[in-house]
Amino acid sequence: KAGVTQTPRYLIKTRGQQVTLSCSPISGHRSVSWYQQTPGQGLQFLFEYFSETQRNKGNFPGRFSGRQFSNSRSEMNVSTLELGDSALYLCASFGVNTEAFFGQGTRLTVV
Amino acid sequence: GENVEQHPSTLSVQEGDSAVIKCTYSDSASNYFPWYKQELGKGPQLIIDIRSNVGEKKDQRIAVTLNKTAKHFSLHITETQPEDSAVYFCAADGNNRLAFGKGNQVVVIP
Repeated sequence: KAGVTQTPRYLIKTRGQQVTLSCSPISGHRSVSWYQQTPGQGLQFLFEYFSETQRNKGNFPGRFSGRQFSNSRSEMNVSTLELGDSALYLCASFGVNTEAFFGQGTRLTVV
Repeated sequence: GENVEQHPSTLSVQEGDSAVIKCTYSDSASNYFPWYKQELGKGPQLIIDIRSNVGEKKDQRIAVTLNKTAKHFSLHITETQPEDSAVYFCAADGNNRLAFGKGNQVVVIP
């Protein structure tokens, strides 16, 4: 069974640009969550999607948005990038018993 | 919402010794407590989890204990090996999300 796939693995963007990250969950998993990981803050919850609906949202500004498609693949978008958005963005795919399985992450660097 | 705290932040152990990481949580309604291991350049990997209906769970050299009354749970690694060196995260469920501790850097000294 394939794991969680995140693309791209690395991105370098300039301040003010926007970026879209993609996550393909484990086959059969319908719930996807996104987390931002930084050295000082650990894993911070961004949002959770289930069956194309956002069920939960963390304390991030409106520049961070996401969506989920009918095949459960999810994308997150960050607009008007700031230096502080540099982080590892992780996607987690949830099984029926709440177990979360993470992808390798997308390393975003904003310069 | 759920708040998870993890101690200590860094732990160095001699190869072959045991390592223990403790986490506390705030929401008494939490029922699921996973532990993740993250190696450099990789995403967190689920290594063991426990649910509130049991007090202890073992899987080879790792074990997790849960004290619901005190709202804390711990990861125990026995006979540590160099490949156990990594960052370990604890988490607790609440409000349809997992809340994570800030991580614990474990260094196993050969």
